[in-house]
Amino acid sequence: QVQLVESGGGLVKPGGSLRVSCAASGFIFSDYYMSWIRQAPGKGLEWVSYISSSGNLIYYADSVKGRFTISRDSAKNTVYLHMNILRDDDTAVYYCARGGYSSVSGEAFDYWGQGTLVTVSS
Amino acid sequence: SYELSQPPSLSVSPGQTASITCSGDDLGKKFTSWYQQRPGQSPVLVIYQNKRRPSEIPERFSASNSGNTATLTISGTQTMDEADYYCQAWDSNTGVFGGGTKLTVL
Repeated sequence: QVQLVESGGGLVKPGGSLRVSCAASGFIFSDYYMSWIRQAPGKGLEWVSYISSSGNLIYYADSVKGRFTISRDSAKNTVYLHMNILRDDDTAVYYCARGGYSSVSGEAFDYWGQGTLVTVSS
Repeated sequence: SYELSQPPSLSVSPGQTASITCSGDDLGKKFTSWYQQRPGQSPVLVIYQNKRRPSEIPERFSASNSGNTATLTISGTQTMDEADYYCQAWDSNTGVFGGGTKLTVL
């Protein structure tokens, strides 16, 4: 069965950096786009970034462009989100999801991880 | 930037039909997905490509998309359907979510 397991969340000071990871299993990782979506406490969902199956297409939300970097390692079946220059409003649960702007997943996010909490606070 | 609008809340009685709308410019020209998020849980895909249902989603969930409005319909709503529902579409390679609708079943 498809499993997505995020890790790496925690408390970080404003201006700091953090890397969150998402280990995928139960499907052919190299066939699928992967995305990060976040949810601030008590708020709605916000799409953050996606990376294509080959890694050659990458897009970001304007709110994180220039600060966050998405990457993937097919040998480890893992997708990463490197977050720099973190701000208070980056505080959220970060979800990894299978899919992106791709017909393979119907342009939808068909499986989600359990999320990892990133708290930015001094 | 592209925006999707949803009503913040909706209440229905068990067994009734719940209709949740999602509005955006020319939304009918895009594929819309819908996600259910129960309290304390991760979102779950309930509709993709406007009206297609993943195999594990009950038949009482259906959807349509035309003009500027997409609609998620839950027929014979059950108490287990109480959750937040989000619509989502793509615009210029950017993912966009609606603000979410809290469905209360009482």
